[in-house]
Amino acid sequence: DSGVTQTPKHLITATGQRVTLRCSPRSGDLSVYWYQQSLDQGLQFLIHYYNGEERAKGNILERFSAQQFPDLHSELNLSSLELGDSALYFCASSKDRGNTIYFGEGSWLTVV
Amino acid sequence: LAKTTQPISMDSYEGQEVNITCSHNNIATNDYITWYQQFPSQGPRFIIQGYKTKVTNEVASLFIPADRKSSTLSLPRVSLSDTAVYYCLVDIYNQGGKLIFGQGTELSVKP
Repeated sequence: DSGVTQTPKHLITATGQRVTLRCSPRSGDLSVYWYQQSLDQGLQFLIHYYNGEERAKGNILERFSAQQFPDLHSELNLSSLELGDSALYFCASSKDRGNTIYFGEGSWLTVV
Repeated sequence: LAKTTQPISMDSYEGQEVNITCSHNNIATNDYITWYQQFPSQGPRFIIQGYKTKVTNEVASLFIPADRKSSTLSLPRVSLSDTAVYYCLVDIYNQGGKLIFGQGTELSVKP
């Protein structure tokens, strides 16, 4: 158990819908990272938050947004969903740069 | 942008030592090198992290030469359960917090 908690574990939704994925980082970790992993693909970096502020953005679609709240949990919002958005979405956390990042078990999103 | 390069796949047999090398030519002074293991449909799991020379823990060793442009993960006496994808990650300081994973190495351990 990495200490990073993601909910929901599985989600099935229809095209055009909106979903929210939630991540609770390890206790004391200020950084949260979001990754997307499509079937048999690598880990695609989406976005990084540190202590509530956006620190870095990767190839995140405009339909996707994220935020980190004062209690340090983070949410990834995916809207106008398309079939190609079906993937595993991972959250990871760390204390700060240069520290080890620990991953949650992911949220499986299936868009039908 | 700096990036990491690893072999796409490797095969091994149970009981052998496996060495997976990652090249990271643009590594900066402040960057650490971290290796992760990922099983299908699971989150990547931390294996080992290093900055220079050699680091060893209970599951692996990490060798980093003086120029730090590459690193080698060494798995002693692999078993079938070590079949997984292994990622090398360099915290690229000048990318300002973007933690970009390479394509990973798919290790297949055979009986």
